[in-house]
Amino acid sequence: GAGVSQSPSNKVTEKGKDVELRCDPISGHTALYWYRQSLGQGLEFLIYFQGNSAPDKSGLPSDRFSAERTGGSVSTLTIQRTQQEDSAVYLCASSLLGPRNTEAFFGQGTRLTVV
Amino acid sequence: SQQGEEDPQALSIQEGENATMNCSYKTSINNLQWYRQNSGRGLVHLILIRSNEREKHSGRLRVTLDTSKKSSSLLITASRAADTASYFCATDAGAGGFKTIFGAGTRLFVKA
Repeated sequence: GAGVSQSPSNKVTEKGKDVELRCDPISGHTALYWYRQSLGQGLEFLIYFQGNSAPDKSGLPSDRFSAERTGGSVSTLTIQRTQQEDSAVYLCASSLLGPRNTEAFFGQGTRLTVV
Repeated sequence: SQQGEEDPQALSIQEGENATMNCSYKTSINNLQWYRQNSGRGLVHLILIRSNEREKHSGRLRVTLDTSKKSSSLLITASRAADTASYFCATDAGAGGFKTIFGAGTRLFVKA
């Protein structure tokens, strides 16, 4: 596609349920990032995929969070047993190469509300 | 912890005035980028400055980088109401520089 696509754009879920958030990066981009942004706050780094390398998971806040990237393209971020503090906008970005060289292009995010 | 810290947290100016935002970071970098965010959704890339550059221009934007002070500034000249947004700096921080870390952002409000 022309840009980074995220789905769903909004998700309301009950506490304790699992959710899956999807990101379709720009075709050909080798790097993919997930960030979380709480209301009025900055972006919190979650995870970074670069090509076929092992992902950098250092930002995942707990073992309830996981992400995978299949075939070097689409990525899913899974949150198990959601908690109210998981409510935030989850942003995905991709870049042609790594962050040393190129800008990141962002999707419009998924607004997750845990009730 | 945050690699980049923006200053001020919020800025309110009149249309036509210049807006200056600052960013400080902690570790060495290969580049620093500025992004803009409207309405709490996707970010838009504004400008990238490499560690061997000191100043860069793009339209009404001027970015400076001082690696000795580990700081950068973003100047928006002749501001417009449409410039109202949050502005973030980002650096390629972390071991090996293989992830982009964002600061908390500066909220700019331009009054018409």
